[in-house]
Amino acid sequence: AQSVSQHNHHVILSEAASLELGCNYSYGGTVNLFWYVQYPGQHLQLLLKYFSGDPLVKGIKGFEAEFIKSKFSFNLRKPSVQWSDTAEYFCAVTAFGNTDKLIFGTGTRLQVFP
Amino acid sequence: DVKVTQSSRYLVKRTGEKVFLECVQDMDHENMFWYRQDPGLGLRLIYFSYDVKMKEKGDIPEGYSVSREKKERFSLILESASTNQTSMYLCASSFEGGLLGNEKLFFGSGTQLSVL
Repeated sequence: AQSVSQHNHHVILSEAASLELGCNYSYGGTVNLFWYVQYPGQHLQLLLKYFSGDPLVKGIKGFEAEFIKSKFSFNLRKPSVQWSDTAEYFCAVTAFGNTDKLIFGTGTRLQVFP
Repeated sequence: DVKVTQSSRYLVKRTGEKVFLECVQDMDHENMFWYRQDPGLGLRLIYFSYDVKMKEKGDIPEGYSVSREKKERFSLILESASTNQTSMYLCASSFEGGLLGNEKLFFGSGTQLSVL
């Protein structure tokens, strides 16, 4: 069955540190890939998405993610985090021809300290 | 901006009560979804609907039902609430006619339901 794994459950960083959050999925066919973010007390919102084309996608607030098909991965990166990046981050995948539903990972809680 | 409104931010109910969670979106979206969010489990899909009066089971439909009588409104019903249904419930909508393609979801702020 289609699944999404986020191995980092809780990440703690200091401001200006670099960030990489892992996301792996288990499906060999065509996928759409997403990162959603939930800031404290706010609703979930889309950070970035990959449908096709350039595997390096850029999102809001300086985030980017790279789709590596051979590794079934879509890791989220930011070169220098800020305190305001403190949030929970969810990777999500739509696997076409399988469930055709958006499946979310379990989330990674990021805490950034000044 | 798209607005997805959930009627209650916090709700406390007793075991066995019938519970209605309401969700309204204002952008004429075809697709609407109900998720529950639990620590360490992420978001899990309960039910979704891609048209009025249409509904499909998600991954964890047991103990829940839904109603979509109007395009803008999608209700989640707990027929007989149980303590294991204590959770954050999130409603979402998207504007594609089907589930393929652009799956950008617009989320409501959530309803934290506590069942005592």
